[in-house]
Amino acid sequence: SQQGEEDPQALSIQEGENATMNCSYKTSINNLQWYRQNSGRGLVHLILIRSNEREKHSGRLRVTLDTSKKSSSLLITASRAADTASYFCATGAGGGNKLTFGTGTQLKVEL
Amino acid sequence: GAVVSQHPSWVICKSGTSVKIECRSLDFQATTMFWYRQFPKQSLMLMATSNEGSKATYEQGVEKDKFLINHASLTLSTLTVTSAHPEDSSFYICSARDWRSEYNEQFFGPGTRLTVL
Repeated sequence: SQQGEEDPQALSIQEGENATMNCSYKTSINNLQWYRQNSGRGLVHLILIRSNEREKHSGRLRVTLDTSKKSSSLLITASRAADTASYFCATGAGGGNKLTFGTGTQLKVEL
Repeated sequence: GAVVSQHPSWVICKSGTSVKIECRSLDFQATTMFWYRQFPKQSLMLMATSNEGSKATYEQGVEKDKFLINHASLTLSTLTVTSAHPEDSSFYICSARDWRSEYNEQFFGPGTRLTVL
């Protein structure tokens, strides 16, 4: 399987703390994207980082990409209870449009 | 912008019946749409790529005669689960790629929960 791995599988933190999720993948990529999914709902696109970029910010989100290690991380700063969700990385490769999703991290932010 | 809808949001059917799920891009044209399946507490698995005006491309292990895909217009793709069985019960999610997008950013529908009795 080409599916990426994410760790941790589950993460529980207190509101206000930072949350870091990691994603590793297996093949060369054009870009890597992070998505969020609330329970039983569709996915919301969070951020896209290109293969020639190393770091990207969007609000409270910070994404890094290390293509030599085939890994990425998503940092959510000053977490809120509303950030409770599953987070997936997805990689795009080659000339096609397909995305390959990671296994996901379930984040729980407690008050 | 970039809104994708799915209908129905949930459906319960008897074993052996067929179920059609619609995926629409509401404010953009999507030459390519994707259908995923997600089992509880698992990741999304791509089932097929739906291209407007041509046959869908199915992933390995996905039965094309069981999961019929039609992409008749630039804003609509349908997935029909034929002769559904309990093991087909799952969360089906579609996504659409904005044809103007430089990268393969996909916008996802809210999903359809299928329960086969």
